[in-house]
Amino acid sequence: SAVISQKPSRDICQRGTSLTIQCQVDSQVTMMFWYRQQPGQSLTLIATANQGSEATYESGFVIDKFPISRPNLTFSTLTVSNMSPEDSSIYLCSVEDLRFRGNYGYTFGSGTRLTVV
Amino acid sequence: AQTVTQSQPEMSVQEAETVTLSCTYDTSESDYYLFWYKQPPSRQMILVIRQEAYKQQNATENRFSVNFQKAAKSFSLKISDSQLGDAAMYFCAYRSDRFSGGGADGLTFGKGTHLIIQP
Repeated sequence: SAVISQKPSRDICQRGTSLTIQCQVDSQVTMMFWYRQQPGQSLTLIATANQGSEATYESGFVIDKFPISRPNLTFSTLTVSNMSPEDSSIYLCSVEDLRFRGNYGYTFGSGTRLTVV
Repeated sequence: AQTVTQSQPEMSVQEAETVTLSCTYDTSESDYYLFWYKQPPSRQMILVIRQEAYKQQNATENRFSVNFQKAAKSFSLKISDSQLGDAAMYFCAYRSDRFSGGGADGLTFGKGTHLIIQP
């Protein structure tokens, strides 16, 4: 299956600042997905990032707050802008993986634990 | 929009016993995929098992099997011979089949079930 390197693994940030999270995949993928997992909660899809086009955001998430870049088929970044304590969460990237056990699945990065103080 | 419901916030089972985790979902689509993911304290999301809605046969992966009831929109996970390493959060997830005109390509997750294994 695909291997995803996600950085940083954790960070503590001051409110009002921004943090950029990177995901690098070891193979070319069409779509990359960004999720948020608030403390003790489930995963919620933030946006879908296609190479060469604007990211598609889910309801409740906006580009000004979570700008996404997708410069090529193996890399994407998510920025959390103008952070507040409510942004403290785990952020995960994910890709569709057609090689997962010979069939279809999603592979996830190891996540970025963000704490805003 | 699709919704996924996991009604058991926490389950506990003795080591070597069998446990079943429940999941129901709501959709108007006929073609879709269902998944069970495991998230241990390391927070790495690990795919446990997958089911295509068009397949009547229930998926199995070693000690893990599902009971897929399409009419009832139910997708439970059975773990046999529970092991200490099975302790984790388990998330049920849904994905539309885009090739059938389905909607979003990402996953919709349930709230999760925390599985505790008693030694």
